[in-house]
Amino acid sequence: DAGVTQSPTHLIKTRGQHVTLRCSPISGHKSVSWYQQVLGQGPQFIFQYYEKEERGRGNFPDRFSARQFPNYSSELNVNALLLGDSALYLCASSFNRWSPLHFGNGTRLTVT
Amino acid sequence: GQNIDQPTEMTATEGAIVQINCTYQTSGFNGLFWYQQHAGEAPTFLSYNVLDGLEEKGRFSSFLSRSKGYSYLLLKELQMKDSASYLCALPGDKIIFGKGTRLHILP
Repeated sequence: DAGVTQSPTHLIKTRGQHVTLRCSPISGHKSVSWYQQVLGQGPQFIFQYYEKEERGRGNFPDRFSARQFPNYSSELNVNALLLGDSALYLCASSFNRWSPLHFGNGTRLTVT
Repeated sequence: GQNIDQPTEMTATEGAIVQINCTYQTSGFNGLFWYQQHAGEAPTFLSYNVLDGLEEKGRFSSFLSRSKGYSYLLLKELQMKDSASYLCALPGDKIIFGKGTRLHILP
C-alpha cells in the first residue's frame, strides 16, 4: 500500500509569494493534519481536517489556510510568504483524530 | 491548554538502557503517542498509551501515569541506529508534540 505522499519535495519561493503544498493520505484514512518543523524542534501543529471539515487549528496567522477534498487529499496554502516560513512542512494521515499518525516525507520550503 | 515537556538531549552507550521522560498538561486526555524521528526523515510511530501502565513492544516500552501527567519511553539493548529524536505527542483536534529528545548513542 502507498504511504502518505507529499508534493513537491522541495520548493524555493520569494518573500511575498504564495505557495500550495499537497498531500495524499493512506487509502482509508479520513484525517489529515499539517505541521511545520524547524531544525531542532518538534512538529508544530497547523491544521487538522477530518471528513473534509476543519477540526483543529494551531497558532498560525490567517496567511495559512488548508482544505480537504472529497477523496481526502489535502492542500496547505500559505500567502504573503515571510523568511520565517522557511521550514519542513509535514503532512500526516490517520484513520481518525485519535489514531496513530503516518507522516509523509515532507516539503522543504525555502523563502528567500 | 496543552503543554508537553521533554529533556532536550540525552546520551547513552550502545547495549545499555535509557529512559526518556515526558510530562504533559491537557484538559482532555485521549492518549499519548511516542514517535521516533531520524535526522532528515519524517517521524514514525512507536507506541500509544491510553491506560495507566507499561506497554511493551520488543526493545521499546512505554509507560503512562495519567494521574501524574507523566510518560516515559524505555529503550533496551541500545543500538547505534537508535540515535534519533524521540517525540511524545497528545492526539485530539489539536495535536501537540513535544520539542523532542535527541538521543546520542556512544559506541
